Amino acid sequence: KAGVTQTPRYLIKTRGQQVTLSCSPISGHRSVSWYQQTPGQGLQFLFEYFSETQRNKGNFPGRFSGRQFSNSRSEMNVSTLELGDSALYLCASSGRQDYEQYFGPGTRLTVT
Amino acid sequence: GNSVTQMEGPVTLSEEAFLTINCTYTATGYPSLFWYVQYPGEGLQLLLKATKADDKGSNKGFEATYRKETTSFHLEKGSVQVSDSAVYFCALISYGNKLVFGAGTILRVKS
Repeated sequence: KAGVTQTPRYLIKTRGQQVTLSCSPISGHRSVSWYQQTPGQGLQFLFEYFSETQRNKGNFPGRFSGRQFSNSRSEMNVSTLELGDSALYLCASSGRQDYEQYFGPGTRLTVT
Repeated sequence: GNSVTQMEGPVTLSEEAFLTINCTYTATGYPSLFWYVQYPGEGLQLLLKATKADDKGSNKGFEATYRKETTSFHLEKGSVQVSDSAVYFCALISYGNKLVFGAGTILRVKS
């Protein structure tokens, strides 16, 4: 079974731009969660989507948004990028046993 | 709110040494507990889990026991290898499908 895939793996953007990251979950998994990993703040939960609906949300500003498609693939968007948005963005999917989350390799976003 | 505290690293061990990484948690309700491992340049891999008190999770020689009375979930391995060098994260899920992570502990194993 293929694992969670994320594209692109690396991204360099300029302050003020926007960016869209993509995540394809493990086949059959309907829940997709997003996390931000930085050296200073560690791993923080952004949001979770299940059956195309946002089910949980973390404490991030409205510049961070996401969506999920009918095939469970998910995208997250960050608008008006700031230097502090530089991070590894990780996507995780989970299946019937909700509490087991499987992570993708991440997208490394650098904002200059 | 829910939180996880794990011992600061880096932890440096010689090959075949015994490993313990301490993890304690604060949570409402009855959380499920996890250890994840992250190798350089990669995402997180689920190492082991425990869903209720006194459960022992185990995988690849690693073990951790869910201790409700001490709110702990310490990771142990009897004999570490160089290939175990990585960052280890303790985490919990309480309500909702939201993982709360500790800060991570860097493990370095020398040959």
